[in-house]
Amino acid sequence: GAGVSQTPSNKVTEKGKYVELRCDPISGHTALYWYRQSLGQGPEFLIYFQGTGAADDSGLPNDRFFAVRPEGSVSTLKIQRTERGDSAVYLCASSFSGGPAYEQYFGPGTRLTVT
Amino acid sequence: ELKVEQNPLFLSMQEGKNYTIYCNYSTTSDRLYWYRQDPGKSLESLFVLLSNGAVKQEGRLMASLDTKARLSTLHITAAVHDLSATYFCAVDTDSWGKLQFGAGTQVVVTP
Repeated sequence: GAGVSQTPSNKVTEKGKYVELRCDPISGHTALYWYRQSLGQGPEFLIYFQGTGAADDSGLPNDRFFAVRPEGSVSTLKIQRTERGDSAVYLCASSFSGGPAYEQYFGPGTRLTVT
Repeated sequence: ELKVEQNPLFLSMQEGKNYTIYCNYSTTSDRLYWYRQDPGKSLESLFVLLSNGAVKQEGRLMASLDTKARLSTLHITAAVHDLSATYFCAVDTDSWGKLQFGAGTQVVVTP
């Protein structure tokens, strides 16, 4: 079956611009996670959705970052006034239900480059 | 603050030999995950360990969890080239799947 998909696969933007990154989770998965992975490091948690609501957004680095999941399926990560330090691979993951017993399936990621 | 430390960070393996990757973490948790990442690719789930003493095996890989020691190991038996990748351990910090990852262990298997 279809896995987690993310678009675009690559995004190059200028410093100060606004970007949106999209995640399509596996059908039927209620939990959705965003992570950010910098070169040579492990993924870093950003935000977790259970259904339509953000259950935990403690990993968002500052108020330039915002994410939504209005219908409980597709999620969009939005970054305002991008900075060069935002350059990373943004990974989305989904699981059947939020919780430790359910493994997270990761998408291919969006590589964001801020010039 | 939870810390997840992997060692080694780089491991050069000879085909046919056995190796172990270690994952130490700094807080109480009995939920630990191992992932594999190939260059330029996303993460593939390898093992989900949910209790003290849990042991899981798949092919040449075996993972175990000792929650009292706050240690998980990933053992590779008779390494083969196909196992070349970066391996991450991750600890569930709040029972809802919020994972904290280690820095990863880059594995290169040579003949």
